Amino acid sequence: EAQVTQNPRYLITVTGKKLTVTCSQNMNHEYMSWYRQDPGLGLRQIYYSMNVEVTDKGDVPEGYKVSRKEKRNFPLILESPSPNQTSLYFCASSFGAVDSPLHFGNGTRLTVT
Amino acid sequence: DAKTTQPNSMESNEEEPVHLPCNHSTISGTDYIHWYRQLPSQGPEYVIHGLTSNVNNRMASLAIAEDRKSSTLILHRATLRDAAVYYCILRNNYGQNFVFGPGTRLSVLP
Repeated sequence: EAQVTQNPRYLITVTGKKLTVTCSQNMNHEYMSWYRQDPGLGLRQIYYSMNVEVTDKGDVPEGYKVSRKEKRNFPLILESPSPNQTSLYFCASSFGAVDSPLHFGNGTRLTVT
Repeated sequence: DAKTTQPNSMESNEEEPVHLPCNHSTISGTDYIHWYRQLPSQGPEYVIHGLTSNVNNRMASLAIAEDRKSSTLILHRATLRDAAVYYCILRNNYGQNFVFGPGTRLSVLP
């Protein structure tokens, strides 16, 4: 089944403890992206990647890192999480062509205390 | 990047058609218009997309203005399961893509 898989679905952590949220897609998509969703602010793009080893900042990249060493994986890294990074996170992927739809994962709810 | 504007909320009665508008006055010739929706407690899902011509699929229809500065997502018969936030976004081959605005929250009344 074609899908975008995020793990974990729920994560509670403490301030400053490094964490990684994984994202994997099995559709051979070139484009991958991370979003955070907060009440009243909608979906905001954190980072995106047009292909392997090509990543770029979105609207809210501060406090996050990403890597794209393989086509299928696009992990989101929080080196030193803070409470303001408590949010619902979505990973998404798409073929590179402009008429290709975006496929989303089921989301990761992160709480930083 | 070209941006879109949508009404914050709309309401519809069940089994009636719904027309969700989107303005994108700074759209460029290579931008595709995409629509997504997000049901409660779920990730966004693709609805439909188009470039210049009107498009139909099993979920909805997309009507694109001749000057491409606006578009309308049409749900032909709204059901309670269509209650969601609907996002209209633009995609091109250059730079940042898939930038979501606040969307339109659609309520469907029984």
